[in-house]
Amino acid sequence: AQKITQTQPGMFVQEKEAVTLDCTYDTSDQSYGLFWYKQPSSGEMIFLIYQGSYDEQNATEGRYSLNFQKARKSANLVISASQLGDSAMYFCAMREGRYNQGGKLIFGQGTELSVKP
Amino acid sequence: GAGVSQSPSNKVTEKGKDVELRCDPISGHTALYWYRQSLGQGLEFLIYFQGNSAPDKSGLPSDRFSAERTGGSVSTLTIQRTQQEDSAVYLCASSLAVGLAGNTIYFGEGSWLTVV
Repeated sequence: AQKITQTQPGMFVQEKEAVTLDCTYDTSDQSYGLFWYKQPSSGEMIFLIYQGSYDEQNATEGRYSLNFQKARKSANLVISASQLGDSAMYFCAMREGRYNQGGKLIFGQGTELSVKP
Repeated sequence: GAGVSQSPSNKVTEKGKDVELRCDPISGHTALYWYRQSLGQGLEFLIYFQGNSAPDKSGLPSDRFSAERTGGSVSTLTIQRTQQEDSAVYLCASSLAVGLAGNTIYFGEGSWLTVV
C-alpha cells in the first residue's frame, strides 16, 4: 500500500534562509505523482508544486523546488529565501497511476514550519 | 465558480443529529474528493467521485457516513447520528480526471464540524 512519511513534526528557519522539508514515500507503482501543499492557519490547502515519477528534472515553482531522488523514494521540498508568510503546515502527498482517471491523494502527517524574523 | 465552494463553513450540532455538508467543485472538474482533517492531524481520505459514481469509498469510517453527487457537479456528504469523534474539518476538493496523475487537486476552505 502507498504511504507518505514526513519525519519532521516541526521546523524553524530564520527569515531569508533556505529550508528543506523531508518527505519519503512508498509505492509499488512505477507511475505516480508527488505533490506539496501548504496549509496556513486559516485552514485552506494551497497547492505548491508537483513532480511526476517520470520527470527527469526536479520541479521548480518560484521559491519552491522539489528535490526528487527516485531511488531513495524521497521528494523533499526546498524553500529558498524564507519569508514570514511561509509559516504554515506543509503536507507531502502522492497519487498513484499515470492514467488512472483521477484517483485520491494520500497525505503525510505534515511539517509545521515557523519562520523567525 | 472560480474555486471549490463548501457550505456551511461552520456547523455546531448536537450528538445524535444528522448533518449535511455541501461541495460545489470547480466548473469542468469531473473528479471530486472528500477528506477529513482532525485537529492537528493530516488529511484522511473519505471518498472519491468520478462523475456521479464513486469508484473509491474506502475511506468512509462507518455506515453513518454517506455521500452522493448528482449532475456530475455538487456533492453532499451526510453524517447520520453524529458522534463527538466526528468533529473535524471536512475538506472537499476537485480536479480534472482525464489523463495524468499530475492533475492538481484543488481544495475548498472546508466545513468545520463540531459535535457537542
